[in-house]
Amino acid sequence: DIQMTQSPSSLSASVGDRVTITCRASQSITNFLKWINWYQQKPGKAPKLLIYSASSLQSGVPSRFSGSGSGTDFTLTISSLQPEDFATYYCQQSYTTPFTFGPGTKVDI
Amino acid sequence: EVQLLESGGGLVQPGGSLRLSCAASGFTFSSYAMSWVRQAPGKGLEWVSSISGRGISTYYAASAKGRFTISRDNSKNTLYLQMNSLRADDTAVYYCAKGRETPNPYDAFDIWGQGTVVTVSS
Repeated sequence: DIQMTQSPSSLSASVGDRVTITCRASQSITNFLKWINWYQQKPGKAPKLLIYSASSLQSGVPSRFSGSGSGTDFTLTISSLQPEDFATYYCQQSYTTPFTFGPGTKVDI
Repeated sequence: EVQLLESGGGLVQPGGSLRLSCAASGFTFSSYAMSWVRQAPGKGLEWVSSISGRGISTYYAASAKGRFTISRDNSKNTLYLQMNSLRADDTAVYYCAKGRETPNPYDAFDIWGQGTVVTVSS
């Protein structure tokens, strides 16, 4: 199985801050595509897709969210944190089953 | 509007069975892979199972294999998860999720239901 790790596990930030979350896969999840996706989850709510294929912004997601990376190392960046961005963020690989998620990064004030 | 609505959760004793359903609307159901993802209380997300658009191919997490069966009825736009031999560690919110682009399950999950709670306890 491909193991996904995230760092940090939590972070405290302020409105307007630039935030970067890192995700690492235990093996390469890149071939002709980059098989990593990022989700945001707020308490008591279903996850929401933010980024797919490492860097493609899902429709309707604000442009302050961006993704990058290749191979085994990937990042999610929020360029200017907004009040509604305080949530938990998960990476997920869709390269092979089982489709594993990272443990999550909680972003709070 | 694209929508997924789960049902069928509840309280069940260890060793019991439940069947979850996920009613889909607002898109051509048979054109997309569908999946189940669960979240134990206070824990992260865990992929459980996926099924291809036509229902020919199915995929399971090790924790689900041999106990859970994923299926779909494309004529009813409904996804199912039959769960047998339930254990306490199956207690979770179960979400159904739609594949983003194709009937192939190797894809992001772009639409999620609100979740249905399964509690396994005596």
